[in-house]
Amino acid sequence: DQQVKQNSPSLSVQEGRISILNCDYTNSMFDYFLWYKKYPAEGPTFLISISSIKDKNEDGRFTVFLNKSAKHLSLHIVPSQPGDSAVYFCAASAAGGGNKLTFGTGTQLKVEL
Amino acid sequence: DADVTQTPRNRITKTGKRIMLECSQTKGHDRMYWYRQDPGLGLRLIYYSFDVKDINKGEISDGYSVSRQAQAKFSLSLESAIPNQTALYFCATSERGRIMNTEAFFGQGTRLTVV
Repeated sequence: DQQVKQNSPSLSVQEGRISILNCDYTNSMFDYFLWYKKYPAEGPTFLISISSIKDKNEDGRFTVFLNKSAKHLSLHIVPSQPGDSAVYFCAASAAGGGNKLTFGTGTQLKVEL
Repeated sequence: DADVTQTPRNRITKTGKRIMLECSQTKGHDRMYWYRQDPGLGLRLIYYSFDVKDINKGEISDGYSVSRQAQAKFSLSLESAIPNQTALYFCATSERGRIMNTEAFFGQGTRLTVV
């Protein structure tokens, strides 16, 4: 069973506009959520995270929102830039789980000029 | 130099062969992990280790084994490779969080093809 779901395999956005990537989870034990960005031929790189005690975390152009009741999180990128074009993975971990990450299937973001 | 280094970066091997993937890190983290990525499936955890000689199975450990003989090194072995083990393999490290979990740092990956 897929405990972390990213239902949009791809997203295309114009440069300067907002990109919104979505993620849903089913495991109520998850309490720490992360977004990773991955370019081809490279490993995933950490982007931003949020713990379950918060509903928003912001870092520059990137903001992650967490809705615990809906078991949903989203990543907002504003303004989007061509260099943001990559695959974005949502991941989650549970307290006491030793930082083991459960990943979604990824969303390919393309930022067009 | 990368903090998490995987060798080799690419490997083609034949069915039935034994192969080892190496991972070394300079971040000083206690925790190390092996994940595999398949198209459309995201990354899945194979094995993880919290300390030297500590070994734990992940979600998809069948057909794999690991060794953690030093804090900085974590190797993944395929005892008898099969074609459905063709995938992108990632090593990762993390530190123990005092209060909550922390992020993991990934190597650049090893592309393994079993023919």
